[in-house]
Order: sequence, then structure tokens, then C-alpha cells
Amino acid sequence: DAEITQSPRHKITETGRQVTLACHQTWNHNNMFWYRQDLGHGLRLIHYSYGVQDTNKGEVSDGYSVSRSNTEDLPLTLESAASSQTSVYFCASSDQGRDIQYFGAGTRLSVL
Amino acid sequence: SQQGEEDPQALSIQEGENATMNCSYKTSINNLQWYRQNSGRGLVHLILIRSNEREKHSGRLRVTLDTSKKSSSLLITASRAADTASYFCATADYAGNNRKLIWGLGTSLAVNP
Repeated sequence: DAEITQSPRHKITETGRQVTLACHQTWNHNNMFWYRQDLGHGLRLIHYSYGVQDTNKGEVSDGYSVSRSNTEDLPLTLESAASSQTSVYFCASSDQGRDIQYFGAGTRLSVL
Repeated sequence: SQQGEEDPQALSIQEGENATMNCSYKTSINNLQWYRQNSGRGLVHLILIRSNEREKHSGRLRVTLDTSKKSSSLLITASRAADTASYFCATADYAGNNRKLIWGLGTSLAVNP
């Protein structure tokens, strides 16, 4: 069955370190999204991609970057982790021209 | 920015009762979706209703959409303990030729056995 997997599921890091969260989907979807979820804020879009070599900034993109070198993967990099980036991160994908998104199980990141 | 606003924020009911949660939004939409999130898990799509539809059913779920009031409701009938989760509405924003979802803050539903 097609799926979307995130790794690691849990990560503890120190402020200032670079961190990369992985997202891999086997749906063959063109569209991929990264969100963060925090109490009181719901889901906020960080970056998204509509295909290979395409990346776009979401509403909370500062301090984050993504690259899309193939259809399956959209890794999210925190250039220099800050305590404000402690959150639960979700990756999602959707088919071209479709709005239904399929989510990974999430990565809980703690920046100490 | 959040467009959808669900209410209530939290709802607690007994097994077998119906649960109704509402979502309001601010701008024109192409469609509206409802998702469920179990504790510690990712979101799962439940149902999509298009702007030209007024009501849609899927099993024990019934969704209504009132575009004149910019609101939608999700009804779960004959609730079960397994329905305990957070429920989110999301509207499709096609502004700038992009297909992004704008999310509400969610309703936390507790179904007590």
C-alpha cells in the first residue's frame, strides 16, 4: 500500500544545530507539504512543493528550508535550530490537481 | 492565517449520542474538507464537500455546507469511543494559482463509554 513516512518520529536537539527531518511518500504525488502543529495555532504551512525542483514558502518559513530532487522526498531542514521551533512537524502529499492531503505520522522535535 | 474556525473547541458526549461540530470560514472557497486526528497521529481525510453541494454523507458522517453563511457542520451519528479525536476543517485556497489548504484550530471530541 502507498504511504507517507516521516523520520525520525522523535528528535531532541540543541539550539544552533542543523536538523533535517525526512519525508518519503510512495503515492507518486506531485504535491508535498510541511506543516507544524502547535497548541493554539493549529496547522501552519512551512513550505510546499508542486513537483521536482519546485519549492514555495508557506506562512511560517523563516528558519526552514526544503529541496525537492525527486518525486518521493521532501526533506525539511532547520538551518540553526531555535527553541521556538520546538513543535510537532507533519508532512503531507496530494495528487496533482487534487486537494485531499495524506499525512505522515509526524515528528516531535524538541530544541533545548 | 487560519480561515476555518471550529466550534466548539471541545465536546464531550456519551457513546451512542450524536456529535455536531461547526466550521466557519471567511473567503470564497472551492471546497471544504474535514479531517480527523487521533492523539499522537497524523491527520486523516474524512470527507470533501464542493462549493456547489449542500450536503454529503459518508457512513455515520453527515456534512453540510452553507456558502451564504460561510459555514459547515460535521455530524457524527451514534458515536463510539473510537471517534474520540480532534476534528479539523480545511478550505481550499486557489489564490495565486496555488492549491493550499487553510486549516481551522479543530474541535476536540471525547466520546465516553
